[in-house]
Amino acid sequence: DAGVTQSPTHLIKTRGQQVTLRCSPKSGHDTVSWYQQALGQGPQFIFQYYEEEERQRGNFPDRFSGHQFPNYSSELNVNALLLGDSALYLCASSPASRAETQYFGPGTRLLVL
Amino acid sequence: AQSVTQLGSHVSVSEGALVLLRCNYSSSVPPYLFWYVQYPNQGLQLLLKYTSAATLVKGINGFEAEFKKSETSFHLTKPSAHMSDAAEYFCAVSDRGYGGSQGNLIFGKGTKLSVKP
Repeated sequence: DAGVTQSPTHLIKTRGQQVTLRCSPKSGHDTVSWYQQALGQGPQFIFQYYEEEERQRGNFPDRFSGHQFPNYSSELNVNALLLGDSALYLCASSPASRAETQYFGPGTRLLVL
Repeated sequence: AQSVTQLGSHVSVSEGALVLLRCNYSSSVPPYLFWYVQYPNQGLQLLLKYTSAATLVKGINGFEAEFKKSETSFHLTKPSAHMSDAAEYFCAVSDRGYGGSQGNLIFGKGTKLSVKP
């Protein structure tokens, strides 16, 4: 049983560019959450998707947007990248009935130069 | 608003010694509580969770945690540390919300555990 997968593993972008990160949830899970983990910090909640809609959102600007597809996979898009967007981006999946129990992928490490 | 405080950004123990990682939470409603472990350059792995059943929760790799409402604590322990336990540990809280948990995890800043031979 494959766990949560994310792509790419690493990414280097320059300020002002746009980036798309991808996530495939664990089999049987229909809810996907995204987190940003800056160096030396705990993860911070960005948003959560369920039934192809954003169900919850954390304190992140509109530059951060997402999408969920019918197969439950998800994308995180960040526009107008800033140096401060450099972080590990983590995707987590859960079944809707137990959305609090989240299983994390390995993350995508984004470096903005 | 909910929050999590982990006391001690770094904890060092000798192999075979007791591991104690501290976590205090703030929540207006009975929370769900979690401990996750993160090995270098990896994602988070769920160690254990408290969801209002037994207050003493057993997890993987010999870890356990006790929910103490009066102290608003959820400390993580392991009787005997192993070299492979060296990693960063995160405590997290999730508000139950209306109709069940909202599923939004709020993490502490983490505690890095070192294990000396």
